[in-house]
Order: sequence, then C-alpha cells, then structure tokens
Amino acid sequence: NAGVMQNPRHLVRRRGQEARLRCSPMKGHSHVYWYRQLPEEGLKFMVYLQKENIIDESGMPKERFSAEFPKEGPSILRIQQVVRGDSAAYFCASSPLPTGDGNTEAFFGQGTRLTVV
Amino acid sequence: DAKTTQPNSMESNEEEPVHLPCNHSTISGTDYIHWYRQLPSQGPEYVIHGLTSNVNNRMASLAIAEDRKSSTLILHRATLRDAAVYYCILRDIQGAQKLVFGQGTRLTINP
Repeated sequence: NAGVMQNPRHLVRRRGQEARLRCSPMKGHSHVYWYRQLPEEGLKFMVYLQKENIIDESGMPKERFSAEFPKEGPSILRIQQVVRGDSAAYFCASSPLPTGDGNTEAFFGQGTRLTVV
Repeated sequence: DAKTTQPNSMESNEEEPVHLPCNHSTISGTDYIHWYRQLPSQGPEYVIHGLTSNVNNRMASLAIAEDRKSSTLILHRATLRDAAVYYCILRDIQGAQKLVFGQGTRLTINP
C-alpha cells in the first residue's frame, strides 16, 4: 500500500503564474488535509476535504487559493497568481475515517516545495 | 483542540533514553493524546497516541499521567535518526477533524 503521494516534489514558478499541487491519498482514504509550512515555521492547517466536498477551509487564504478533491483522481491545491510569500512547503495528509475521530492517525506525504522567483 | 505546552528544544546523546514532556492541563475526557514528529525536510510522521493507559509501539512509549494533564513520549534508545521536531497534539473523538500543530520540541541527538 503506497503512502500519500505528492507531486511535484519541487516546483518553481515566476510571480504571477499558477501553481498546481497534487496529492494522492492512501488507498481507501477519502479524507484529505492540506498544510503549509513557511521556512523555519510550524505547520499551518489550510483545508480539509472529503470526496467532492470541502469540509473545513478555515485556514485557506481568501484569495488566489483553492482546493478540490474530485470523485476520481488526486486532490489539487491551486494557487493563482503566485507571489514570493507563497514560497513554502505544502503537505498533504490523508486518513481513513469518515468523521473526526481522535483514535486514528493521519498519514502525510513528503510535501511539495514551492519556490516563487 | 485543547492547547498543549512543550519545551522548545531538548538535547540528548545517542543510545540514551529521551523523555519528551507535554503539558495539557485543559484536556477533556474525550481527548486523545497524539504525537507526531517531523524529520528535516520531510513530512510529519505519526509516532504514537493514547487516551488513558500507557502505550507502547515499535517507535516509542507514551506515558500518560493519572490525571491526564501531562504526558511523556519516551524514546528508549535514541539514534541520530531520531533528531526531529516532536509535536504533542490533542484530538477530540467528537471534535475538530484536523490536526493543529504547535511549535513542538526540537530534539537534537549528539553522537
């Protein structure tokens, strides 16, 4: 059973371009979480999705950022018109349970490191 | 999720035990105590979790105080590969569905 797969591992974009980050959860997991980690800082929650639904987007910036988790295919985090401040590591996690449950763990991918030049 | 307090950093020597403390004085009866770690340049990794009783797995042990207001992650024999930031997180069985990471404890292992 492959772990959480994120691609690309590294992404370089010029200011104003779009960045698309992909996350394939572990097999059988239908819950996906995205986190952002700025250089030398902690992990900040961005969004929680279940298949075809956004459950909690309380950590998403109001503009330029969007996320989806379609019925088929990976979850996508999309950043439009990137700026230098978007440079960070973006991590995706997945879990198997349909509702919040303290008795299970989340599995993280290796992240996508976005650099905006 | 209830708040946890951890030391910013700790240091230990290779092949010695490491005890990483976590205070969670406002823990509720339905909060599980989770530990994750993040090795340099990698994604977070689950370590262990428990509710009331002490827990052991291949990576570590979790000792939970009788009043549940604190817990300790125990690495029995640290290796250089255990150098990481360790996060203590509370998860309510009925509450928030996301992990909320604090600053964690940066563990340095000396050869």
